[in-house]
Formats: sequence, structure tokens, C-alpha cells
Amino acid sequence: DVKVTQSSRYLVKRTGEKVFLECVQDMDHENMFWYRQDPGLGLRLIYFSYDVKMKEKGDIPEGYSVSREKKERFSLILESASTNQTSMYLCASSYYGRGYGYTFGSGTRLTVV
Amino acid sequence: DAKTTQPTSMDCAEGRAANLPCNHSTISGNEYVYWYRQIHSQGPQYIIHGLKNNETNEMASLIITEDRKSSTLILPHATLRDTAVYYCIVRTPNGQNFVFGPGTRLSVLP
Repeated sequence: DVKVTQSSRYLVKRTGEKVFLECVQDMDHENMFWYRQDPGLGLRLIYFSYDVKMKEKGDIPEGYSVSREKKERFSLILESASTNQTSMYLCASSYYGRGYGYTFGSGTRLTVV
Repeated sequence: DAKTTQPTSMDCAEGRAANLPCNHSTISGNEYVYWYRQIHSQGPQYIIHGLKNNETNEMASLIITEDRKSSTLILPHATLRDTAVYYCIVRTPNGQNFVFGPGTRLSVLP
């Protein structure tokens, strides 16, 4: 069964820590995405990537960076975690092209204390 | 980007058909309509998508009006496990990113 795997289901980090959220897909998808989801705000796109070593800013990239060194792996980095980055983080992937949908991971619930 | 409008919430009796409407009056001619759902504390799950014609798969049916300004997702025999937030999404013109609105919270009642 094809899937998108996020490395942690729950994560607790301290303010100021550097945080890495990992996402791996086994479907040979070109596109990968990072969203965060907050109550009342829905899903918001942070960053996405069309190919290895390529990245594009989404709607809310501030405070985040990403890395895509291999096609199957897309990492989200919080350079210096803050409490307002407490959220559910969702990774997704898709084939390139307009007709294809996304496959989402199960999410990582990050709490910054 | 074309936007969608969905009811905030709906109830459906278990075993009955759930019909979830979506308005997308500004949809462009080459934009697809997608439906996803999100069960509590899980990532969104793809359900179905279509361009012009009605579509059916093992999960649901998608009915798109002839003018493409609205669509309806049909779950033919809703179960308690279908309780979720359902998102109707129109693909953005650059063909890459989805924009998720607030969706419809469907409650399937025993």
C-alpha cells in the first residue's frame, strides 16, 4: 500500500530549539508539500517542492525552511521553534500534473513549550 | 483562484445516502473538482475528483452540474466511520497546489 510517512506522531520541543520534521513517500511522486493545520484556520501551505533540490514558498513560510535532497524525502525545519508554531503538521505528495490528487501523511502534532 | 462554498455542517442517518453540496461558481474551464475528507486527528484522505462528467468509485459518486458551477458528493450508504470534515477543492490555475477551505463537518448518526 502506497503511503506518506511522517517520522513522529507527537513531538514536544522547547522554545528556541531547532526542529526537524521528516516526511518520506514511497510512490515516486515529484511533488511534496508541507501544511500546518490549526483550529479555525484550516490547512495552510508552508512550503512545497516540485523536484529534488527545488522549493517554493507557500502561504506562510516565515519561520520555516525545507530541504529536499532526495526525491522521496522532504524535511521541514523550524530554525528556532516558537510557541506559535505549536500545530498539526501535515506532509503530502503527488505526481506532477493537474489531474492528480494528494496523498497525505498522518500528521505530526508538535507542541512547543 | 476559484473558490468553493460548502455548508458548515450536516447530519445524516446511518445507512442513508449523504449528499454534500459544493458551489464553485467561478471555476475555470480546465479546473478539476476534488473531494477530500479528514477524520479526526488524521491526515486528509482523497475521495474522488472530476472535470466535467460524473464520476464513481468504491468510496463515493461525484455529480457535477452541466455548467460546472456546483457539484455534489454522494456517499451512498453512510456509516458511522464516514463522520469527518469533507473538503471540496478546485485546483489552482498553476496546477500544483490545493487550497483547503473550512469544509463541511458531516456527522453520521446512529
